[in-house]
Amino acid sequence: AQSVTQPDIHITVSEGASLELRCNYSYGATPYLFWYVQSPGQGLQLLLKYFSGDTLVQGIKGFEAEFKRSQSSFNLRKPSVHWSDAAEYFCAVGALTGNQFYFGTGTSLTVIP
Amino acid sequence: KAGVTQTPRYLIKTRGQQVTLSCSPISGHRSVSWYQQTPGQGLQFLFEYFSETQRNKGNFPGRFSGRQFSNSRSEMNVSTLELGDSALYLCASSLAQIYNEQFFGPGTRLTVL
Repeated sequence: AQSVTQPDIHITVSEGASLELRCNYSYGATPYLFWYVQSPGQGLQLLLKYFSGDTLVQGIKGFEAEFKRSQSSFNLRKPSVHWSDAAEYFCAVGALTGNQFYFGTGTSLTVIP
Repeated sequence: KAGVTQTPRYLIKTRGQQVTLSCSPISGHRSVSWYQQTPGQGLQFLFEYFSETQRNKGNFPGRFSGRQFSNSRSEMNVSTLELGDSALYLCASSLAQIYNEQFFGPGTRLTVL
């Protein structure tokens, strides 16, 4: 069965520091992988997605993620965090049948000045 | 282009009542998915509709149901509400059957007393 694990429930980083949010997935075939961000009171916004090809994916707001098949991971990174990046981040894997997605439980990011 | 809209934004109900939530997808989007978001559980997939047909269904009891109209607008209904149904219900729309980006609405916050 498909599943997504985000091992870090909450992360605190200083503004300007680098960031890495972890995501591990379980899926029997080539996965379709996504990272979404949710600001308080808002819906989810797509940061980036991986379908195939280059394993390093660039997204919006300066985020990138690297697909590592051998580790079943799709970690999200940003070299320098801004205070506006404080939000909840969700990793998701897409199933082959239709548009069914499996989300992780999310990582809450706090940015301190 | 207008985004995904959900109505109402907030709802308060009591146990045993039923509730109907509405979602209007982005114009041209034919797929609508529903998710339940609760703290610690992340987003859990409820169901997905495409061209008025339920194509996928998550692991929720039969009290949760939905439908889609010919204009792609969708509704979900929860009957015999329980305290545990308190959650943020998110709707997402996308273009078609293959993997397109899902665009999320702001959600409906349901509180069951």
